[in-house]
Amino acid sequence: DAGVIQSPRHEVTEMGQEVTLRCKPISGHNSLFWYRQTMMRGLELLIYFNNNVPIDDSGMPEDRFSAKMPNASFSTLKIQPSEPRDSAVYFCASSFKGMGSPLHFGNGTRLTVT
Amino acid sequence: KNEVEQSPQNLTAQEGEFITINCSYSVGISALHWLQQHPGGGIVSLFMLSSGKKKHGRLIATINIQEKHSSLHITASHPRDSAVYICAVRSSETSGSRLTFGEGTQLTVNP
Repeated sequence: DAGVIQSPRHEVTEMGQEVTLRCKPISGHNSLFWYRQTMMRGLELLIYFNNNVPIDDSGMPEDRFSAKMPNASFSTLKIQPSEPRDSAVYFCASSFKGMGSPLHFGNGTRLTVT
Repeated sequence: KNEVEQSPQNLTAQEGEFITINCSYSVGISALHWLQQHPGGGIVSLFMLSSGKKKHGRLIATINIQEKHSSLHITASHPRDSAVYICAVRSSETSGSRLTFGEGTQLTVNP
């Protein structure tokens, strides 16, 4: 298996632009998680899905952030409009049966908003 | 006070040394994870445990539920073990799958 695949690996954009991050979970996994990592706050859960349904989005910072999972093999995290404080590494992770199983992380997307 | 605290924050060792990283938490948990993040940024799940002890190669993870404490041990450390090690817990006191993360321990193993 190729593991969790995230794209792009790096994204540099200007303040105000829309940013879309993509994730392909491991085939067969039914839970998908979006995390954000910054130096100040470490790793934070933004949102997670079970069976393509958003279960907990309380970590989403504000309305500028949205996430979708249209099918079991694809998810997006969108920021519109982006701000410099959104600069971080965004990780997608997947697992089988929610948090009762080990997490498998993607390589992350490093976002820089100037 | 953070719900999950790790010690030490930074650790430097010589190749071959036995290493221990500690994690203490203040909530009831249903699971504890140890993660490894390499300098390139990728995160790997090392262990998930809710009781007792697990071993994988040179890595050993233990947990004491009563004391709310877990340790990650590395035997015969090697420079390639240099990474940030992160402890994360899933609280049993709240519903859902939210993990609370420690701040990580930066390990450097010198040849």
